[in-house]
Amino acid sequence: KAGVTQTPRYLIKTRGQQVTLSCSPISGHRSVSWYQQTPGQGLQFLFEYFSETQRNKGNFPGRFSGRQFSNSRSEMNVSTLELGDSALYLCASSWEGAGANVLTFGAGSRLTVL
Amino acid sequence: KQEVTQIPAALSVPEGENLVLNCSFTDSAIYNLQWFRQDPGKGLTSLLLIQSSQREQTSGRLNASLDKSSGRSTLYIAASQPGDSATYLCAVRDTGNQFYFGTGTSLTVIP
Repeated sequence: KAGVTQTPRYLIKTRGQQVTLSCSPISGHRSVSWYQQTPGQGLQFLFEYFSETQRNKGNFPGRFSGRQFSNSRSEMNVSTLELGDSALYLCASSWEGAGANVLTFGAGSRLTVL
Repeated sequence: KQEVTQIPAALSVPEGENLVLNCSFTDSAIYNLQWFRQDPGKGLTSLLLIQSSQREQTSGRLNASLDKSSGRSTLYIAASQPGDSATYLCAVRDTGNQFYFGTGTSLTVIP
């Protein structure tokens, strides 16, 4: 059974550019959540999608957005990149059901903003 | 707002020792709590998940407990091995489906 796949694994952008990251969940998982991890702030929740709808959102500016497709794959977009957006972006998927909700993480996309 | 704290931030133990990692949270209205390990530069690997109605979960040498009333969870690792060296994170999912992570405990097991 394939795990959670994130692409690209590494990318370098310059300030002001935008970036799109992709996350393919485990087959059958309908919930996808996104996180930003930095040395200073740790792991912070960005948003969660379930059945193509944003179900929850963390405390990030509107430059951070996401969407989920009918096959449960999800993308997140960051516009007008700032130096402080350099981070490891992680996505996780889970199966919603009784006794479930275990988060399974991908390996992450490491973004460097110059 | 939920706050999750992990103490200690770093821990170094000799191989074979039993150890306990601590996680505390401020709001007891949680849906579940999950423990993860993270190896340098990599994603998170799920270790144990405890539903809010449960008191503990066990997997191999790992045992996690949950005391909602006091806002605490512990992860017990028996007979530690060098391969256990990693950062351990706890995460709380609250009843509003928000996720909150602790800052982690960096564990080093010395051969």
